[in-house]
Amino acid sequence: GAVVSQHPSRVICKSGTSVKIECRSLDFQATTMFWYRQFPKQSLMLMATSNEGSKATYEQGVEKDKFLINHASLTLSTLTVTSAHPEDSSFYICSASGISNEKLFFGSGTQLSVL
Amino acid sequence: GDSVTQMEGPVTLSEEAFLTINCTYTATGYPSLFWYVQYPGEGLQLLLKATKADDKGSNKGFEATYRKETTSFHLEKGSVQVSDSAVYFCALSGGSYIPTFGRGTSLIVHP
Repeated sequence: GAVVSQHPSRVICKSGTSVKIECRSLDFQATTMFWYRQFPKQSLMLMATSNEGSKATYEQGVEKDKFLINHASLTLSTLTVTSAHPEDSSFYICSASGISNEKLFFGSGTQLSVL
Repeated sequence: GDSVTQMEGPVTLSEEAFLTINCTYTATGYPSLFWYVQYPGEGLQLLLKATKADDKGSNKGFEATYRKETTSFHLEKGSVQVSDSAVYFCALSGGSYIPTFGRGTSLIVHP
């Protein structure tokens, strides 16, 4: 089946630094990518939806200047957490869908810890 | 808005035990219902789905029946294996195909 590669799987950073998470579709063209966030024992929360070549659509309450999403190609989307703070510590997971939009394929997630 | 509630884990079972993970939902209209599974170190994978009331989704010995009257989609397996240890997410999809997830339930199966 289709594969989505997400890395890094784990990152620890200092408060105030920026962290970039990459999500790649390895064997299909991902016209749409999604970024989710999960707090411990909470649901996966959709943060934003991005279509290749256009600006991401953010869900209510998600700061677009804080969480920068770039989807410059059909195989790569990045999420940059800018000026990270401890409250940004969370599990981030991406997913991608192809042209048919019938199925979602997920990355393995990134555990971000901000000290 | 739409929401999914699933039982809090972890669920710990011995091999060959019967598994039930409860899932109930709130949604307008007639959503599609899903179970996703996340094995350690991997991304979420679609396990099974049901698109209308009374449909039964099944895969790898797992089953779930779409019960509109009780707004439930409980996951069951008659005999679990150690390899079934994973986190299971119940989800629904309404007008858009973007799913709304539950919090996930961790399953631990001991030999």
